Amino acid sequence: KNEVEQSPQNLTAQEGEFITINCSYSVGISALHWLQQHPGGGIVSLFMLSSGKKKHGRLIATINIQEKHSSLHITASHPRDSAVYICAVITDKLIFGTGTRLQVFP
Amino acid sequence: NAGVMQNPRHLVRRRGQEARLRCSPMKGHSHVYWYRQLPEEGLKFMVYLQKENIIDESGMPKERFSAEFPKEGPSILRIQQVVRGDSAAYFCASSPGTRYEQYFGPGTRLTVT
Repeated sequence: KNEVEQSPQNLTAQEGEFITINCSYSVGISALHWLQQHPGGGIVSLFMLSSGKKKHGRLIATINIQEKHSSLHITASHPRDSAVYICAVITDKLIFGTGTRLQVFP
Repeated sequence: NAGVMQNPRHLVRRRGQEARLRCSPMKGHSHVYWYRQLPEEGLKFMVYLQKENIIDESGMPKERFSAEFPKEGPSILRIQQVVRGDSAAYFCASSPGTRYEQYFGPGTRLTVT
C-alpha cells in the first residue's frame, strides 16, 4: 500500500464545476504540498500547509492532521485548470502521491 | 529572483554514454533535491544535498548514479553508462532549509536511444 493515496485518479468536469481532489497518507508528516503539473511542463507548488486551510484565487486546500487527510478544491473550474495534481507529504523527504489527472471541458 | 534553473531541458544520449544534468537553486537556497519521474509513473525521491554534502541518497540507484552540490556552481546529477530504462524526466527542487516549501525547476527530459 502506498504511503500517500490520492483519489480520484482521473477526473473530468465541465467548465464551472466545483472540483475536489483527496489525499490520504499513513505516515507522520510536518507538512503537505499540493503540486500542479501541466502536460510536458514543469511542476508548480500550489500550497504548502501543515494545518487548517489556505486559499489562493479559486483554489482552496485543507488538511486534517488527526485524520491524515487533505483536500484540494477548485471553484468555478476552467479548461486551463486541466493538469495533473499531486499531493506530496513532507517527512524528512517528499513522498508523492500518484497524482490526479483533471480535464475540464468547455 | 530567478527560479530554480535546470539545464539542459532535453538531453538525448545513446546507450553507454554519460548524462550530466545541472540544477541551479534559487538564490539563498542551500538545499537541493533531485526527483525522477519515469514515463506514466509518479515522482520519486532520489537524493537530497546541501552544499558539499549528501544528506540522503536513499532513493538513488546503487550503481551508475551520483550527485554533487559543490561549494561553487550548480548541483550535478551524473548518470554513467546510460540504459534505456534511465529515460525519464529529472526534476530538481530547492529550499532554504529542511521542512520548508520546495520550489521545482522545469525538469530535464532524458531520452536514451
